[in-house]
Amino acid sequence: NAGVTQTPKFQVLKTGQSMTLQCAQDMNHEYMSWYRQDPGMGLRLIHYSVGAGITDQGEVPNGYNVSRSTTEDFPLRLLSAAPSQTSVYFCASSYSLATNEKLFFGSGTQLSVL
Amino acid sequence: GQQVMQIPQYQHVQEGEDFTTYCNSSTTLSNIQWYKQRPGGHPVFLIQLVKSGEVKKQKRLTFQFGEAKKNSSLHITATQTTDVGTYFCAGNNFNKFYFGSGTKLNVKP
Repeated sequence: NAGVTQTPKFQVLKTGQSMTLQCAQDMNHEYMSWYRQDPGMGLRLIHYSVGAGITDQGEVPNGYNVSRSTTEDFPLRLLSAAPSQTSVYFCASSYSLATNEKLFFGSGTQLSVL
Repeated sequence: GQQVMQIPQYQHVQEGEDFTTYCNSSTTLSNIQWYKQRPGGHPVFLIQLVKSGEVKKQKRLTFQFGEAKKNSSLHITATQTTDVGTYFCAGNNFNKFYFGSGTKLNVKP
């Protein structure tokens, strides 16, 4: 099993550009989520999904869209990139939050918006 | 809204000294989890605490969950250079994991 795979690892965007961060897991996990990590602020939840076709907002959803058309994939879309979105992004999945399972994290995407 | 506070933000210790990080939630948690992130890496699950007053040990690491299920601590005895990294607590409430801001541990050999 590859676990949680995130692409790309690094990305530089200009203000106003759009892009999609990819996340895929091969563990048949129901729960998938996106976090951003900024210095001194820990990991903040952007969006999450409890299953295919179901998504919901986290703490900091503005400027981001998600969809969950399959169990395996949970892409994060930046609609119009802003410098405030410069961060490290992590995708994380879990078998099911209903059973208090642990989160498995991808290796992260370092995004810079100029 | 839900908040999980973690202190201290940084801790520098000499190898062999003990280390403790504390986590406090503004609301009662159903469970709390601890993660470790090595420099340049991603968070990796360490442990989960579910019961009020629960204490769990993993070798030199001791984890506690408060009686009111609103606070937790991680204590490392006799730190080693391999303990370097950032330690996060995460509280689970209604499908959302709320992470603390993390404690960055540096261990001087």
